[in-house]
Amino acid sequence: AQKITQTQPGMFVQEKEAVTLDCTYDTSDQSYGLFWYKQPSSGEMIFLIYQGSYDEQNATEGRYSLNFQKARKSANLVISASQLGDSAMYFCAMREGWGDMRFGAGTRLTVKP
Amino acid sequence: GAGVSQSPSNKVTEKGKDVELRCDPISGHTALYWYRQSLGQGLEFLIYFQGNSAPDKSGLPSDRFSAERTGGSVSTLTIQRTQQEDSAVYLCASSFLGSGSYEQYFGPGTRLTVT
Repeated sequence: AQKITQTQPGMFVQEKEAVTLDCTYDTSDQSYGLFWYKQPSSGEMIFLIYQGSYDEQNATEGRYSLNFQKARKSANLVISASQLGDSAMYFCAMREGWGDMRFGAGTRLTVKP
Repeated sequence: GAGVSQSPSNKVTEKGKDVELRCDPISGHTALYWYRQSLGQGLEFLIYFQGNSAPDKSGLPSDRFSAERTGGSVSTLTIQRTQQEDSAVYLCASSFLGSGSYEQYFGPGTRLTVT
C-alpha cells in the first residue's frame, strides 16, 4: 500500500498567486515526520519544510507553509506569491520513527507569467 | 561545508556488466540512504544505513543489487549483471538523526544508462 499519495500529477498557477499541493499519508505510528522537497529541472533535491507529528502549529518557512491536518492524515504544501522559479517537481515524504523516508510520486508545478 | 557527493556523475554501461556507484555523505551524518529515480518518476527507496545497525534492505529490487557502508562513512551501491531497466538516476542522501527534523541532504545523483 502507498504510504504517501500525491494525487495531482501536474498543477498550474499564475505568477504571484498562491497554490496548494496535496499530500496524504498512511501510518499507524504516533511518531513521524513529514517533509516537502523541490526538484527543479537540474535534478537536485531541495528541502523545503518539515512538520513533526507532535507539532501543534503548522510549519512555515518563508513563502512555504504546511497545512497539517492530523486526523485526515493530510500534509498539504501551500506556496504563496508564486514565482517563475517555483516551477519544479514537488515531493512529499514521510519518515516513521527512526526509519527510512518514503516519497510520493510528485507533483509538477508550472508557474505561468 | 561539503555536501553529499556522488561519483561518477554519469555512467554508461553495457547490459550484463557490473557497476559500482559511490556516495560520500556529509561528515558526521549517521544515516545514509540510497534511492532510484526513473525518468519522470518519484523516488524509489532502495536501502538505508543507520550507524552500526544492520541496514534496511527492504527496497532493493533484486539480488543483483547490494550496498555496503565502510567505516560508517562512504557507501558503495553495486549492481551486478545490469539490465536496461536499471537505467535511472541513483540518489544518495544522508542525515544526522540527532537533529530535530532528521532532514535528508541529497547528493547530485549518478545517472546510469544501460545500453
